[in-house]
Amino acid sequence: QKEVEQNSGPLSVPEGAIASLNCTYSDRVSQSFFWYRQYSGKSPELIMSIYSNGDKEDGRFTAQLNKASQYVSLLIRDSQPSDSATYLCAVNDNYGQNFVFGPGTRLSVLP
Amino acid sequence: SQTIHQWPATLVQPVGSPLSLECTVEGTSNPNLYWYRQAAGRGLQLLFYSVGIGQISSEVPQNLSASRPQDRQFILSSKKLLLSDSGFYLCAWSVPGGTEAFFGQGTRLTVV
Repeated sequence: QKEVEQNSGPLSVPEGAIASLNCTYSDRVSQSFFWYRQYSGKSPELIMSIYSNGDKEDGRFTAQLNKASQYVSLLIRDSQPSDSATYLCAVNDNYGQNFVFGPGTRLSVLP
Repeated sequence: SQTIHQWPATLVQPVGSPLSLECTVEGTSNPNLYWYRQAAGRGLQLLFYSVGIGQISSEVPQNLSASRPQDRQFILSSKKLLLSDSGFYLCAWSVPGGTEAFFGQGTRLTVV
């Protein structure tokens, strides 16, 4: 059974700070990793994808992947109140048939 | 560009009634299709996925079923709803090969 673990939170950070979200996964064959943002009552939207070890930056977001440790993280720099949402970590294997989500971490950015 | 349509947005159904939720994808061929359920305050639970017409894999045994009658159409059904079927149902698609999944707007189902 593939598992994806996340801290449920809530994680509270002040506006302008760096928010750090963490995720671990159990299946070593996982090859693709994603971060989704979900506002309350809405469907998840993709914000980052990462496929190889290291860092990937996109604007205020940086995804970090360490396959040896089975660990993926998301950093949000200069956090804004509009970043307040639940962040879901997801992993997939190369065949695209097993797409598993973590329980999500609720982030609250305080003005 | 690709778009995914899911309807209805909200649904209130009595216990024991049937269910049919439909999802269609435009702008792509042979997508992988997924049905997820999200209980209030919980994560996404994968219910079914499909890699082609008539090919359905079930992740969780329950009173729900899925069908894929056409390449870009995915249907979630139940013959008799239970109270525990309440939740937020999400359809998603991806290009085969482990790339990103994109979600429809979701259907909030309340069984009363």
